[in-house]
Amino acid sequence: AQTVTQSQPEMSVQEAETVTLSCTYDTSESDYYLFWYKQPPSRQMILVIRQEAYKQQNATENRFSVNFQKAAKSFSLKISDSQLGDAAMYFCAYRRGANNLFFGTGTRLTVIP
Amino acid sequence: NAGVTQTPKFQVLKTGQSMTLQCAQDMNHEYMSWYRQDPGMGLRLIHYSVGAGITDQGEVPNGYNVSRSTTEDFPLRLLSAAPSQTSVYFCASSYKPSSYNSPLHFGNGTRLTVT
Repeated sequence: AQTVTQSQPEMSVQEAETVTLSCTYDTSESDYYLFWYKQPPSRQMILVIRQEAYKQQNATENRFSVNFQKAAKSFSLKISDSQLGDAAMYFCAYRRGANNLFFGTGTRLTVIP
Repeated sequence: NAGVTQTPKFQVLKTGQSMTLQCAQDMNHEYMSWYRQDPGMGLRLIHYSVGAGITDQGEVPNGYNVSRSTTEDFPLRLLSAAPSQTSVYFCASSYKPSSYNSPLHFGNGTRLTVT
């Protein structure tokens, strides 16, 4: 079985500062994909960033980057220069096979003006 | 450009009633799936389909049925609603089932309350 753990139910960050959200996962597979999704109050699920397990280079999308540590099964999300619009629930997700995602329980991020 | 459309947005049912949550996509996606989101539990996969005529169970399939008679539609049926099925339901689709470059497109969700 594969499980995804987000140990921080809530986090807060000052506007313009940097915050890191943690995610660990459990798998016996060597080939898989990892994702971070953002869910604002509108309930919409928005893909933030994705990482292929066979790539050692950490993915980056503008102000969002990941620290992927395959041996430690860790996949943290760093948000730089935080903006008010970054306030949301963030979900870490693991994918194997078809396109089925296994999600963590989420981290609620508050951005303080 | 509709994307993934879920109806209804909100629904209240009494215990024992049945209903169908509708999901339609206009992107010719092969893969479609249903998730439920509960507080403190993230999203959990109910059922999925990798093409018309093919469906399979996810993590939490009990109490739900699906069918995939067309590429566009993937309805989720609650056979006899129970309070434990109170949740927010998301439909998601993607172009190719196993392709990394096919991100999931989510609908806007249906909030279901069973009393």
